[in-house]
Amino acid sequence: DAKTTQPTSMDCAEGRAANLPCNHSTISGNEYVYWYRQIHSQGPQYIIHGLKNNETNEMASLIITEDRKSSTLILPHATLRDTAVYYCIVRYPQGGSEKLVFGKGTKLTVNP
Amino acid sequence: GAVVSQHPSRVICKSGTSVKIECRSLDFQATTMFWYRQFPKQSLMLMATSNEGSKATYEQGVEKDKFLINHASLTLSTLTVTSAHPEDSSFYICSARFLGGGYTFGSGTRLTVV
Repeated sequence: DAKTTQPTSMDCAEGRAANLPCNHSTISGNEYVYWYRQIHSQGPQYIIHGLKNNETNEMASLIITEDRKSSTLILPHATLRDTAVYYCIVRYPQGGSEKLVFGKGTKLTVNP
Repeated sequence: GAVVSQHPSRVICKSGTSVKIECRSLDFQATTMFWYRQFPKQSLMLMATSNEGSKATYEQGVEKDKFLINHASLTLSTLTVTSAHPEDSSFYICSARFLGGGYTFGSGTRLTVV
């Protein structure tokens, strides 16, 4: 089973890019990398996901290394509202109902 | 799009009573929903996978007779905490997979058992 490793916490200055790393060295070829974030006492919010190629949407960019053993979530211009716990998740196939298993995540604090 | 509504957001119940939490997909059909539990300062722990029209699949260590899951339609899954005790107090969150590969989450239910 693939697992992820993330730093426990990170700080970022408001307006700067936040780069959140994730290691998933045992990921298999058909497993996707998902990123979610959770603001205190709310449900997780989907950010982005990818398989092999780099991805970008209105919230963030996802950079996946060529060997797929690690990835980086980039918030290009962090704001105070981006303060949250960020989870990097590798999707486990479970028959036809693929489940998401959460690790401990990275607590990102954006400072003024 | 792809919104999941969870209700109630907060509930306080007496020890020994049962509590039902609803999870609805508002603008899509969800054949599979997931239920998580989160204790303070901890990550989300998957409890069970709820499949429309069939029995839920529970994770190891989760008591299926205590946490009853019903997924009777393509837009509704319910979690009933039976004979609740203070140690069941937690933040319960549902999730559903939407077209395109993402997973959307409800806003969570804060259960307090007194």
